[in-house]
Amino acid sequence: GAGVSQSPRYKVAKRGQDVALRCDPISGHVSLFWYQQALGQGPEFLTYFQNEAQLDKSGLPSDRFFAERPEGSVSTLKIQRTQQEDSAVYLCASIKGRLEFAGELFFGEGSRLTVL
Amino acid sequence: SQQGEEDPQALSIQEGENATMNCSYKTSINNLQWYRQNSGRGLVHLILIRSNEREKHSGRLRVTLDTSKKSSSLLITASRAADTASYFCATDEIRFGNEKLTFGTGTRLTIIP
Repeated sequence: GAGVSQSPRYKVAKRGQDVALRCDPISGHVSLFWYQQALGQGPEFLTYFQNEAQLDKSGLPSDRFFAERPEGSVSTLKIQRTQQEDSAVYLCASIKGRLEFAGELFFGEGSRLTVL
Repeated sequence: SQQGEEDPQALSIQEGENATMNCSYKTSINNLQWYRQNSGRGLVHLILIRSNEREKHSGRLRVTLDTSKKSSSLLITASRAADTASYFCATDEIRFGNEKLTFGTGTRLTIIP
């Protein structure tokens, strides 16, 4: 596609519900990142995929957070038993090759999650 | 955790003036990038400067990098109302197996028409 696509753009969940956020990266982009951005803050790294392999999940805040990219393209970030502190914008970004050499990340518009 | 800290946190200037934002970071880096984010939108890449570069220009943007002080600055000249946005620096740390950009806390820039 022309850009990184994320859905849904907005999600309201009741505390305790499970949510799934989808990211469709730019076609051919090998690397995919998920970030969490709280209101008024910078994006915080969650996890990184190279093709279908999840190479770094050190930023996932708890075991309620799970991400997958089974075919090396579309990725899903799943949050189980949502809590109010999970309210944030979840940003997906992709890059053609390795970050060290390829440079810029291409971001989607984000999925804004509100947990009531 | 946030690697970089931007200064100031918020900046308001008149249209036509120059805007300067600063970023400090903590570890050795491969490169430093600046991104822009309009309210409610994703981040857009502005400019990348590598660790062996000291200054870089792109249109109305000028970025400097001082690796000895672990700091960078972004200058936007002749500001326009459309430049109103949040600006973030991001670093790619030198660390085996590291594949992530770590973002700063951001500067919220408001251009007053």
